[in-house]
Amino acid sequence: GESVGLHLPTLSVQEGDNSIINCAYSNSASDYFIWYKQESGKGPQFIIDIRSNMDKRQGQRVTVLLNKTVKHLSLQIAATQPGDSAVYFCAENPNTGNQFYFGTGTSLTVIP
Amino acid sequence: DAMVIQNPRYQVTQFGKPVTLSCSQTLNHNVMYWYQQKSSQAPKLLFHYYDKDFNNEADTPDNFQSRRPNTSFCFLDIRSPGLGDAAMYLCATARGGSPYEQYFGPGTRLTVT
Repeated sequence: GESVGLHLPTLSVQEGDNSIINCAYSNSASDYFIWYKQESGKGPQFIIDIRSNMDKRQGQRVTVLLNKTVKHLSLQIAATQPGDSAVYFCAENPNTGNQFYFGTGTSLTVIP
Repeated sequence: DAMVIQNPRYQVTQFGKPVTLSCSQTLNHNVMYWYQQKSSQAPKLLFHYYDKDFNNEADTPDNFQSRRPNTSFCFLDIRSPGLGDAAMYLCATARGGSPYEQYFGPGTRLTVT
């Protein structure tokens, strides 16, 4: 599979602050990326996606940035809430089919 | 509600005893995936089906097999489970064609005794 990794395995933020979670990917041909949130004992939940023809996409309280030059993704969560505490994964589609390969994951803890 | 369903949610099997995990979907999606997720690790893709076409990952052990008898159902067969196969097994679906988001089921947690 492809190599998709994260810089920070754990992140703690104060409630109300913004969070930034980073991801590096290895395949420059990858053209579609997804961020997932996974709570304990549950399957990954789609947060936001981005295609390689974009460098930024915004959702509700979340923004994904894509830097193809350095093969880097980030997920920004605005006004982080306790319910945002979870593990966050990025996943990469390498443009060779329908496969998705997941990065290592970052555990986000929101401190009330 | 359209969804991805996995049964059972918890499965206990004995070392070496074959076990089958089930996944069904009401989304009518072309693609179905199986992932293995061990504690504190990322989901690892085992294989996926695009309609009836099976796509195995190069590093998936032969001990893991899959069947997709129709659009709605997909099974994961572990022929001789070892202690190292204890994990959460996640099923996901997606529309075919240009990559689209995956929809995950809740997972089946497999324990091997």
